[in-house]
Amino acid sequence: SSELTQDPVVSVALRQTVRITCQGDSLRGYYASWYQQKPGQAPLLVIYGNNNRPSGIPDRFSGSISGDTASLTITGAQAEDEADYYCSSRDSSGNHFVFGSGTKVTVL
Amino acid sequence: QVQLVESGGGVVQPGRSLRLSCAASGFTFSSYAIHWVRQAPGKGLEWVAIISYDGSNKYYAGSVKGRFTISRDNSKNTLYLQMNSLRTEDTAVYYCARVIANTAMAIYYFDYWGQGTLVTVSS
Repeated sequence: SSELTQDPVVSVALRQTVRITCQGDSLRGYYASWYQQKPGQAPLLVIYGNNNRPSGIPDRFSGSISGDTASLTITGAQAEDEADYYCSSRDSSGNHFVFGSGTKVTVL
Repeated sequence: QVQLVESGGGVVQPGRSLRLSCAASGFTFSSYAIHWVRQAPGKGLEWVAIISYDGSNKYYAGSVKGRFTISRDNSKNTLYLQMNSLRTEDTAVYYCARVIANTAMAIYYFDYWGQGTLVTVSS
């Protein structure tokens, strides 16, 4: 099955920009979706498809894709953006799904 | 509003069985595929299984295939996960999540999640 690789930890200064990447073969065929998870909470969808945000997600969150790597960018990070972020896509086999290993974002 | 509420978690001994439920409301349950996703303590998210909108297609992660069975009762707006031959490594919070699929655009995403139910496998 496919794997999605993420950097384990990323730090960003308050109000600065941070990019989180997700690399995997499945991303050549399927868009990634991105989820924010805070301690003790269920994951929350923040980006899907070609840079689409669900209602209520601030526009400082954006997504992009290049080859086999998807990126989530937070422009002007806020303290409340400190969380774990996971990417996901449909597996290359087409019938399964896969999650990235997760990136812990720390806002300094 | 869309709601997914899991139940059925608890402490169970290795080798025993447990059945989780996910009660859905606020949307036409029978129109959507639903997934189970789990998260071991302090670990990342792991996809477990998917069932199609009508229950005709089911797929499982390799780690649970042959031990877990996903099912649904559209008349009760409820999703199930029957877990047999449980192992200590199955200890996790189990989430049900609705998936939105745009096959033509190759876009798939989980738009709503339940709050999760904790399963602890321990002797």
